[in-house]
Formats: sequence, structure tokens, C-alpha cells
Amino acid sequence: DTEVTQTPKHLVMGMTNKKSLKCEQHMGHRAMYWYKQKAKKPPELMFVYSYEKLSINESVPSRFSPECPNSSLLNLHLHALQPEDSALYLCASSQASAPTKLFFGSGTQLSVL
Amino acid sequence: DQQVKQNSPSLSVQEGRISILNCDYTNSMFDYFLWYKKYPAEGPTFLISISSIKDKNEDGRFTVFLNKSAKHLSLHIVPSQPGDSAVYFCAASGGNQFYFGTGTSLTVIP
Repeated sequence: DTEVTQTPKHLVMGMTNKKSLKCEQHMGHRAMYWYKQKAKKPPELMFVYSYEKLSINESVPSRFSPECPNSSLLNLHLHALQPEDSALYLCASSQASAPTKLFFGSGTQLSVL
Repeated sequence: DQQVKQNSPSLSVQEGRISILNCDYTNSMFDYFLWYKKYPAEGPTFLISISSIKDKNEDGRFTVFLNKSAKHLSLHIVPSQPGDSAVYFCAASGGNQFYFGTGTSLTVIP
């Protein structure tokens, strides 16, 4: 199994809503990532979890709250988002030590109204 | 500071011809280089990678060349097919982080 599964595939939310994005992998990877990608731009790193602990937070606003309940799951909790947060949110995983490849999920296309 | 650069935002190639996508990097400590293919509203799909100790890696129609002295890598696709039309991202791995280029949009014309 070399898949990273993300749900939902599409999400529309208002600026006062609370929602969560979910990500799951069963490759035994101990590093998991959240990226944000806008059209015609490279993926932009948001958070990295290594061995279920947050190791990198790229100065992301607190309206984005990551959570890693166990080694296979990664969540991103969303609250009070702005329209400019509309983007494709990508989850990825890799081996934790000296990773040589990132495996990406298919993403959640988020629209904030 | 962009550590991985793709200076060509777009490229058009006739079907059956060779597509060459280029990538430059600045950090000599990168130890792996990767190419990803991406369709709109989908996650990037891994294509091919190369270790910094090699200068060439081939997988079917895809070949990646690494020139460490020039800090340059390229992806060759031969022969190009219409289904190859997508955005291609170059990436480099160093420590526990991955650094992405800005992408090159490839269009293969039938």
C-alpha cells in the first residue's frame, strides 16, 4: 500500500465555520506533512510531524491547527478561515530519517466563502 | 530564498519529440533530487529521483541527469505523449525537508 488518503476531496466553508481535514497512510512512515498549494505555485510547507511530534511549524496562523493522533493519521483543524486561505491542501508522508521521497495524497480543494 | 529554481514556466513540444525540463539548485548539501508530475486539483505524483552520488537515472521514457558541478538537473521525456501534459515540479531533499521549484507547465501537442 503506497497510498496517502485524504478526505474530503472538496470542502466549502464559511469564515465562521469549523472543519477538519483528514489524512491517513499505512506505509509505516513516521513523518507526515501538511502543504498548501495555490494554482501555478509550488507546494508550500505548513507543518511537519516526526514520530507524532510537531517538528516544524512554518509560522502558520493559529486558525490552522494540526493534530497527529497516531503514526498513521494526521488532521488539520480549520477555524475562522479567510477567503485567501482557499487553496489545495496536501498531506504527504515519508520515512522520518533522511527521507528520500515524499508520498502525496490527492489533496483537499478548500474554498472559503 | 528559493533554493530550487525552474526558470522555464512553460514548455511546448510536439508529440513524439523529446521534452527537456530543467532545474537549478543552490545548496550543495542536497542529497536526493526528485521530479513530480501534477494535474490541476490533484496531488503531485512521484515520477523519478536521483541520488547525489549518481549522474543519471532512467525509468522507461523518463531519464534524470544530475550535474553536481553546475548544480543542475534535467528531466528528459522521450518520446513525449499528449498524456504527459502537466506541471512538473523539481524537488530536492536535505535533512528532513523537501524544497520545491516553481514548476514547468509542459504541453505536448498531438
